[in-house]
Amino acid sequence: GAVVSQHPSWVICKSGTSVKIECRSLDFQATTMFWYRQFPKQSLMLMATSNEGSKATYEQGVEKDKFLINHASLTLSTLTVTSAHPEDSSFYICSAPQGVSYEQYFGPGTRLTVT
Amino acid sequence: AQSVTQPDIHITVSEGASLELRCNYSYGATPYLFWYVQSPGQGLQLLLKYFSGDTLVQGIKGFEAEFKRSQSSFNLRKPSVHWSDAAEYFCAVVSLLGGGADGLTFGKGTHLIIQP
Repeated sequence: GAVVSQHPSWVICKSGTSVKIECRSLDFQATTMFWYRQFPKQSLMLMATSNEGSKATYEQGVEKDKFLINHASLTLSTLTVTSAHPEDSSFYICSAPQGVSYEQYFGPGTRLTVT
Repeated sequence: AQSVTQPDIHITVSEGASLELRCNYSYGATPYLFWYVQSPGQGLQLLLKYFSGDTLVQGIKGFEAEFKRSQSSFNLRKPSVHWSDAAEYFCAVVSLLGGGADGLTFGKGTHLIIQP
């Protein structure tokens, strides 16, 4: 089956710094990838849609200047949390659809802690 | 806008007993429906999905779900749960009209606890 990886799996950073999270489709190409955010014991909320070769589409209420998304190739999307603050601490998960089934394959997630 | 409701935040079931997790969706057209499971420290795993056809779908790990359009429901069932089934379960929907270019809308999840 299709595999999506994320790196790093967890990261701790200081308030005010920026953090980059990578999402890779390992055995298939993904022109679209999705970024979700999950707070502890809560559901996943779609943050943005990453499109290869074009600008990302952000969900209402998501700051595009804080969460920078770049889809540089057909297998890689990156999410950069800029000027991170403690309230940005969360579990960030990416996914990519494959084929015509609309099924999405999820990465294992990245735990971000901002101190 | 589409939405997914999972009315049960926590469910406790004895090992070996049957299980039903509820999911209701709100969407104007026929949605694509999914059930995912998330174990502690692990990523989301797809249990099953419904796109069209037979309204009773079989998934992995002995799970099944039934799509009922009249009730806007897609409940997940398992005849006999195992201790390893303890996890967080999410129902999700995606727009058919989006052509696969839309992200999933998730329910808030149901935390399943298995009693020995």
